[in-house]
Formats: sequence, C-alpha cells, structure tokens
Amino acid sequence: EDQVTQSPEALRLQEGESSSLNCSYTVSGLRGLFWYRQDPGKGPEFLFTLYSAGEEKEKERLKATLTKKESFLHITAPKPEDSATYLCAVRMNQAGTALIFGKGTTLSVSS
Amino acid sequence: DVKVTQSSRYLVKRTGEKVFLECVQDMDHENMFWYRQDPGLGLRLIYFSYDVKMKEKGDIPEGYSVSREKKERFSLILESASTNQTSMYLCASSLGPPGREQYFGPGTRLTVT
Repeated sequence: EDQVTQSPEALRLQEGESSSLNCSYTVSGLRGLFWYRQDPGKGPEFLFTLYSAGEEKEKERLKATLTKKESFLHITAPKPEDSATYLCAVRMNQAGTALIFGKGTTLSVSS
Repeated sequence: DVKVTQSSRYLVKRTGEKVFLECVQDMDHENMFWYRQDPGLGLRLIYFSYDVKMKEKGDIPEGYSVSREKKERFSLILESASTNQTSMYLCASSLGPPGREQYFGPGTRLTVT
C-alpha cells in the first residue's frame, strides 16, 4: 500500500492563479517531511523540511505546511517558471536515514 | 552549496554488459544513496551507505551492487545489464544525523539495448 500519496497527479494553472498541492502519509512516527522540485531530465532540488505539526516554511511563492496526517505546498501567484514536478518524501521513525517518496504532482503554469 | 555529480548524463549499454555509475559529493556527507526513477513508479531506493565500506539494501537491490571505498564517492554497479534496468538513476547524499535532507545529483539516463 502507498504510504505517501500526492494529489493531484497533475495540475494546470494560469499565471497568478494560486493553488495547493497535497501530500498525505499513512505512517506513524514521522521524523521529517521533505518537499523537492524536479525539472524534466534533472535531479530533484531540495525545497523544505518540516518536522512537526503546525510548522510552516516559506520560499518566494511557495509555502509548506504540516499537519499530523498531511502536508500542503501552497503556491501563491505562480509564474510559468514554477512549472515542474513537486515531490514529497517522509522519513519514519524506524526507517533510518532512508526516505519514502510520493509519486509527485506535475504543475504546469501557463501565461 | 552542496554539489553532487554523476559521471554520465546519458549512457547506452548492451544487455549483459557490466555497468558502472559513479557519484561524487563535495560536502563531506556521511550518507549516500542510489535511486532509480521510472514513470508511474516514482523514486525507488536501490542501496544506501552510511559510512565508508558500509552499505544497506534498499527496496530494489536485485541486480545491483555498490561500492564505497572513499567517503565522497559511491558507485552503483550493474553486474549484467538487462533491458528492465533502463531507467533514470539518481544519486543523493546527506549529513549523518537521521532526518536530514538529501541532495541529489543531475541523474544518469541509462538505456540498455
């Protein structure tokens, strides 16, 4: 079964149209939730780490939040250069240093 | 800035060949990882290493081996390449304490014909 589920799989936005991506996890003992951005043909680029419910992190037009069962990546007034696949990963208590990745949300922003 | 480099961006090999993928990081990270990424399957962990000469199997180690002789270098070896090993291979590294973020290399697109 999926332990990390991202939704939607794909999202199309107009420039300036704010929205949110979801990452839900069905594991206990979360020891960190990570957001990455991946451009086509490239390796994932680290964005944020969240450790506890209620925590928030911001970077430019992106804001990540964490609850006990899910995380949201809010994109405010997106631009075409925000188009990418956004990956969520979690580290569980028993998983050592390994991360479990979701399958990603592919965001397309058109002008 | 953390830098993780991989020896090749694109590689084409024949079935049965022995294939070496090299990864080097310049930030003195203790942990290094090898993933493969396939459409619809996401990133899957092949092997990781938390110290020189130490290795741990990930979710899909079959058909692969690894070598870590120096802290900065982590090699992935396909003993006898098969067509189902055609994939994007990604190397990552992280600092020692568990829960730290991983930094990825640019990836190697391997095609086995």
